[in-house]
Amino acid sequence: AQSVTQPDIHITVSEGASLELRCNYSYGATPYLFWYVQSPGQGLQLLLKYFSGDTLVQGIKGFEAEFKRSQSSFNLRKPSVHWSDAAEYFCAVGADSSASKIIFGSGTRLSIRP
Amino acid sequence: DAGVIQSPRHEVTEMGQEVTLRCKPISGHNSLFWYRQTMMRGLELLIYFNNNVPIDDSGMPEDRFSAKMPNASFSTLKIQPSEPRDSAVYFCASSFTVTLRQYSNQPQHFGDGTRLSIL
Repeated sequence: AQSVTQPDIHITVSEGASLELRCNYSYGATPYLFWYVQSPGQGLQLLLKYFSGDTLVQGIKGFEAEFKRSQSSFNLRKPSVHWSDAAEYFCAVGADSSASKIIFGSGTRLSIRP
Repeated sequence: DAGVIQSPRHEVTEMGQEVTLRCKPISGHNSLFWYRQTMMRGLELLIYFNNNVPIDDSGMPEDRFSAKMPNASFSTLKIQPSEPRDSAVYFCASSFTVTLRQYSNQPQHFGDGTRLSIL
């Protein structure tokens, strides 16, 4: 069965610093991978997705993620964070038992230090 | 374009009462999902529909929970009777699925959620 692990529960970075949020997945074939962001009091918003092709995926708000099959990872990066990036970030993998089901990780809360 | 619309945004009620949460998916989407989010358990998939048909309800906690999708533009999640442990934020999401058997994950679009408090 598919699974997603986000090893960092909470990360704090300084405004303007670079960011990398870790995500590891478990899946036998090429996975469908997603990163979502959740601001307080709101639903989840899709940042980017990987289905196939180029392993470096560009998303909204200046985020990117790189699919590394050898490491079963799909880490999210941003070169310079802004205070508005403070939120909860969820990595997710598509489930092969259904064409629609997505398995979400437990999330990483990002705080920004002024 | 209108996103996924959920109502109400907040609901506070006493235990034992019936609670109905509503969702209007994005027009043209054929898959609809109900999630529950709590601090302890994170984001849990409760049930999802494809073309108005329930496909997987294995996440529904117990018989007190039921969900319906009478048409492509409306779904409800009902809790009867409600209990304090049902307090959570409930999200509805929708997506477009090409076929049920093919692996064709499309991103899910989430509503802003319903914050439910059972006293």
